[in-house]
Amino acid sequence: GQNIDQPTEMTATEGAIVQINCTYQTSGFNGLFWYQQHAGEAPTFLSYNVLDGLEEKGRFSSFLSRSKGYSYLLLKELQMKDSASYLCAGRDSNYQLIWGAGTKLIIKP
Amino acid sequence: ETGVTQTPRHLVMGMTNKKSLKCEQHLGHNAMYWYKQSAKKPLELMFVYNFKEQTENNSVPSRFSPECPNSSHLFLHLHTLQPEDSALYLCASSQVASSSGANVLTFGAGSRLTVL
Repeated sequence: GQNIDQPTEMTATEGAIVQINCTYQTSGFNGLFWYQQHAGEAPTFLSYNVLDGLEEKGRFSSFLSRSKGYSYLLLKELQMKDSASYLCAGRDSNYQLIWGAGTKLIIKP
Repeated sequence: ETGVTQTPRHLVMGMTNKKSLKCEQHLGHNAMYWYKQSAKKPLELMFVYNFKEQTENNSVPSRFSPECPNSSHLFLHLHTLQPEDSALYLCASSQVASSSGANVLTFGAGSRLTVL
């Protein structure tokens, strides 16, 4: 079956760095997505990886290893506003998104 | 208005009621989606419309009935729901459905449904 695994909850300190891991098992692979969802708000797109390596976008970076079925989202210089849920989704050979349950990130001062 | 707008934001209904959720997108996208989001569970894709044609119906009970009159509007008609249907219902849109490239989803803020 198809599956996305990510930690349920993580806690980090303001100003620090945090890495949210995601492992995926999909029938074929056509990309890995990360979305951010603040409580009571719409999920918003953060990143898309289809090739191995690191994609950097400001304080956020996303990494992909296709051979390991693994991705991570790296958040640097954490701010209180980064407290949110982070959703990992893999896209299979039919271009269908397989979603993880999300990682709730709590930032403490 | 811009983006994806969903109404109502909150809805409480009894099991015998009939209600509808509405979604509107102003992005010029051709694909629209309904997702169910329950606490600590992955997003569940319910329905997909691509150029107004329904392309996905993921074994959703018939008490949920979608309608897509045009590429900008999507409805979810609700009838005889069960308490386990209580969840956040998210609408999303993208350029097209099931395509390569990023094809990013733009979500609405959701309709929080409570079934008593």
